[in-house]
Amino acid sequence: TQLLEQSPQFLSIQEGENLTVYCNSSSVFSSLQWYRQEPGEGPVLLVTVVTGGEVKKLKRLTFQFGDARKDSSLHITAAQPGDTGLYLCAGADAAGNKLTFGGGTRVLVKP
Amino acid sequence: ETGVTQTPRHLVMGMTNKKSLKCEQHLGHNAMYWYKQSAKKPLELMFVYNFKEQTENNSVPSRFSPECPNSSHLFLHLHTLQPEDSALYLCASSQDWRLRVNTEAFFGQGTRLTVV
Repeated sequence: TQLLEQSPQFLSIQEGENLTVYCNSSSVFSSLQWYRQEPGEGPVLLVTVVTGGEVKKLKRLTFQFGDARKDSSLHITAAQPGDTGLYLCAGADAAGNKLTFGGGTRVLVKP
Repeated sequence: ETGVTQTPRHLVMGMTNKKSLKCEQHLGHNAMYWYKQSAKKPLELMFVYNFKEQTENNSVPSRFSPECPNSSHLFLHLHTLQPEDSALYLCASSQDWRLRVNTEAFFGQGTRLTVV
């Protein structure tokens, strides 16, 4: 069974601060996705990373896939209250047949 | 609005009740999924359907019974549930059940289920 550990589980910061969320596993994933889930909503895809060492930027969000494709990080610069939500990473197995989700990191950005 | 609609949004049921959750997508996707999201566990995959055929049952108890009459609709029939089954049940769809590179899963808003 492939497991994804996310850390921290909860993060509370002030508007304007930076934050980093980690997603780690002992397994190799063919690709890894990051989702954000807001209260009362389902998860929404933010990005997919595929290549080891890949870095993708989405406005103030920077996503990195580890060289060995076992871990990933999400960095938010100058966080805003609108960034509040549950951030989930999900890895696809080698065959690409199954998504395994991490436990999530709940981020609260206070104005 | 992701294109995946779930009803009802909230459901309270007794342990002896029978109820059904409904999911509908008009994205032209071929695969549909049921996930369970509870407070203390990661998102858990329950069932996968591809072209109306069940391709995965993740050791889900028989008190949960899925039905997929066509590629656009997915149901989850519930009976004799336990309080520990209380959770957010999320439906998702994707173009293909094989989650290839850049295949996105589109989630509905979920049904918040409380079993009393």
